[in-house]
Amino acid sequence: AAGVIQSPRHLIKEKRETATLKCYPIPRHDTVYWYQQGPGQDPQFLISFYEKMQSDKGSIPDRFSAQQFSDYHSELNMSSLELGDSALYFCASSLGLGAGANVLTFGAGSRLTVL
Amino acid sequence: GQQVMQIPQYQHVQEGEDFTTYCNSSTTLSNIQWYKQRPGGHPVFLIQLVKSGEVKKQKRLTFQFGEAKKNSSLHITATQTTDVGTYFCAADNFNKFYFGSGTKLNVKP
Repeated sequence: AAGVIQSPRHLIKEKRETATLKCYPIPRHDTVYWYQQGPGQDPQFLISFYEKMQSDKGSIPDRFSAQQFSDYHSELNMSSLELGDSALYFCASSLGLGAGANVLTFGAGSRLTVL
Repeated sequence: GQQVMQIPQYQHVQEGEDFTTYCNSSTTLSNIQWYKQRPGGHPVFLIQLVKSGEVKKQKRLTFQFGEAKKNSSLHITATQTTDVGTYFCAADNFNKFYFGSGTKLNVKP
């Protein structure tokens, strides 16, 4: 079965550079979530989209932006990277909103290292 | 804001022993989900609890949702080495998921 696809899997950037992460949800999943997980930490909710519109915002820095496109894939753009942005970034998708539909399927993650 | 506390942070058990992790929310939840993350892996959905006082079982795993829908627990009977990983509860506050800090389970053979 098709899963959530994230790219790139690994990314190394210098401080103050920009990075873009991509997420391709499971077909027919119209909701996408972005999470940031630091070493030994729990996943921190960044932002979510439902039907190409932002549905909720968590602890996403102002330096980050995201969007969901017409084909439902999503991109997380990170600018002015800081050392503290080094983390595993997960994308998850769900069939929709509400109990039952909002079960999250996670991608394998994109590991960002900022030097 | 939403806070989800999960205890214990770590649990080391001998294979065959039982294991329980607890999740507590500061607010009433619409539902709660449990995920397992193996070392180096991504969170994988285990179960969703929706109703007050709900109990669900998956083989050796028993999940409970509190009567007030503010707390939940996951109990594993007779742990196996394949149970190793971090177990997260995820509190669904109207489609904004807040993950607990996780309980890292280590099972010694």
